[in-house]
Amino acid sequence: KQEVTQIPAALSVPEGENLVLNCSFTDSAIYNLQWFRQDPGKGLTSLLLIQSSQREQTSGRLNASLDKSSGRSTLYIAASQPGDSATYLCAVRLNAGNNRKLIWGLGTSLGVNP
Amino acid sequence: EPEVTQTPSHQVTQMGQEVILRCVPISNHLYFYWYRQILGQKVEFLVSFYNNEISEKSEIFDDQFSVERPDGSNFTLKIRSTKLEDSAMYFCASGPLLTDNGYTFGSGTRLTVV
Repeated sequence: KQEVTQIPAALSVPEGENLVLNCSFTDSAIYNLQWFRQDPGKGLTSLLLIQSSQREQTSGRLNASLDKSSGRSTLYIAASQPGDSATYLCAVRLNAGNNRKLIWGLGTSLGVNP
Repeated sequence: EPEVTQTPSHQVTQMGQEVILRCVPISNHLYFYWYRQILGQKVEFLVSFYNNEISEKSEIFDDQFSVERPDGSNFTLKIRSTKLEDSAMYFCASGPLLTDNGYTFGSGTRLTVV
């Protein structure tokens, strides 16, 4: 059974710092992996999606990497800003057919202090 | 940018009452999902819907739950007789036919059962 774990559970950094959030999954047979942002009491905003054949994806100050064989992904945030404060979730999709459900981690709660 | 719209944003209901959560997916998407997130817990898959039928459901999605796409634009989740433990944030998501693309989530409905 696929399990997704995110470390650390919470992180507090000063503004301007570069940081790395970690996601691990137990079954390497994934189709893709997605990173989301969730603001308190709000919805889920997709940040980056990495296909199983890809090694990384970049969007602005965000870079996500994927090492499928070791069951790991990282989300790198450069030059963090207070507006980056949120919970970051990673989710994996298992296969390519009509079974498209996502398996989620519990998230990393990030606070960026001005 | 196209959005998934969920209504209401917050619903309070008495235990044993029926509730219907509503979602308007992105118009050209073909896959529809419901997920829920109990406070402090992981996001959990409930059900996926494709070609006017359920394609997959989780153990959570028992006989108390049902989904419907009544008019080609709305996608609803009905809980027949709510329990205290149904209190959660419910997220609707939709996805296009191309399997390489990710999901778009709505902003959620917070259901409180009292």
